[in-house]
Amino acid sequence: GNSVTQMEGPVTLSEEAFLTINCTYTATGYPSLFWYVQYPGEGLQLLLKATKADDKGSNKGFEATYRKETTSFHLEKGSVQVSDSAVYFCARNYGGATNKLIFGTGTLLAVQP
Amino acid sequence: EAQVTQNPRYLITVTGKKLTVTCSQNMNHEYMSWYRQDPGLGLRQIYYSMNVEVTDKGDVPEGYKVSRKEKRNFPLILESPSPNQTSLYFCASQGAGAGNTEAFFGQGTRLTVV
Repeated sequence: GNSVTQMEGPVTLSEEAFLTINCTYTATGYPSLFWYVQYPGEGLQLLLKATKADDKGSNKGFEATYRKETTSFHLEKGSVQVSDSAVYFCARNYGGATNKLIFGTGTLLAVQP
Repeated sequence: EAQVTQNPRYLITVTGKKLTVTCSQNMNHEYMSWYRQDPGLGLRQIYYSMNVEVTDKGDVPEGYKVSRKEKRNFPLILESPSPNQTSLYFCASQGAGAGNTEAFFGQGTRLTVV
């Protein structure tokens, strides 16, 4: 099938802690993979993406590597800040011509000072 | 500034009273879609449109209608809203591409049906 599974939240960390949010996907081919972030009261915005195996997406100190062997795209950041508190969504594209995105259920990250 | 604008941001309505949520984008994008966000379920696609006058069902289309008469606008219509349509709705637009293009989202419409 086509699905995205990400770790349940909430994830609560202290400032400057290391962050990992796990994401795995199922697909028959090689989809493009994305992480979107939703800050409180806002819509989703693209954080980073990777379009082929072994690509690493990075932005604002966040990184994720497209691992086809483990069908994973885990999000990491070495030192989180309070301002990183948000909901993070892993997503893959559906394929074909639709541009449709398939989202995980979202992981709430709360960073405490 | 690249934008997807939804209106209204908040709406409380009664069962059966028709409503429309508007969505407009200024990026000349071909692809537009509507999602609903529910706790524990993430975002699920309701309808999408690949261009003017081309629309198709997403994963949860029941109870919704859409139209795409102009490239920039993609309204979501609830002909007879029911309480199970209480949700947070997002409109999104993307340029044409191979499925790896960034989706731009509106700020969301929180709908409550009583």
